[in-house]
Amino acid sequence: GQQVMQIPQYQHVQEGEDFTTYCNSSTTLSNIQWYKQRPGGHPVFLIQLVKSGEVKKQKRLTFQFGEAKKNSSLHITATQTTDVGTYFCAGNTGFQKLVFGTGTRLLVSP
Amino acid sequence: NAGVTQTPKFQVLKTGQSMTLQCAQDMNHNSMYWYRQDPGMGLRLIYYSASEGTTDKGEVPNGYNVSRLNKREFSLRLESAAPSQTSVYFCASSLAGGQYFGPGTRLTVT
Repeated sequence: GQQVMQIPQYQHVQEGEDFTTYCNSSTTLSNIQWYKQRPGGHPVFLIQLVKSGEVKKQKRLTFQFGEAKKNSSLHITATQTTDVGTYFCAGNTGFQKLVFGTGTRLLVSP
Repeated sequence: NAGVTQTPKFQVLKTGQSMTLQCAQDMNHNSMYWYRQDPGMGLRLIYYSASEGTTDKGEVPNGYNVSRLNKREFSLRLESAAPSQTSVYFCASSLAGGQYFGPGTRLTVT
């Protein structure tokens, strides 16, 4: 079945450093979504990317969708302690069923 | 708007007991989903309902049943709980695009 791999599993940064998480799918995706889950909380939808090569920004967060629509990345510039949490990508093959990556847990030290 | 609500928040069951997890959304979304989240495994889809009156299996449906009672409500039933079903269960809904998650039910089966 479809698999979505995410790396790294864990990253610990100092506040102000940048952070990137990468997502790779075994199959071509119709779109990819990103979610953030705070410790003890529920996943919160951040963004959806649909077009090949698409780049979207939300303040300090930059999301990219690969040209082949099989990979994606999330980059955070100048991390803050409020960025702490686990970031999940979720691939959609077009049948409304998302396949979630295993997530990247981000820890930010002040 | 309450968004997506789930009850109960916590539950402890003995092996072999049954229970129903309730989920309701007030966003007039067509699609609803049930996921389980285990440490290091990300979110895995149990069942989903693309619209009122339809349900379909996800990645890990064994041991579970669902009912889409109406457009608002989607319940998940464990007929005979097993320790392997110890997990955090999330309900989600969507119209098109991102999914909106409830706060989760933390279930322990002893």
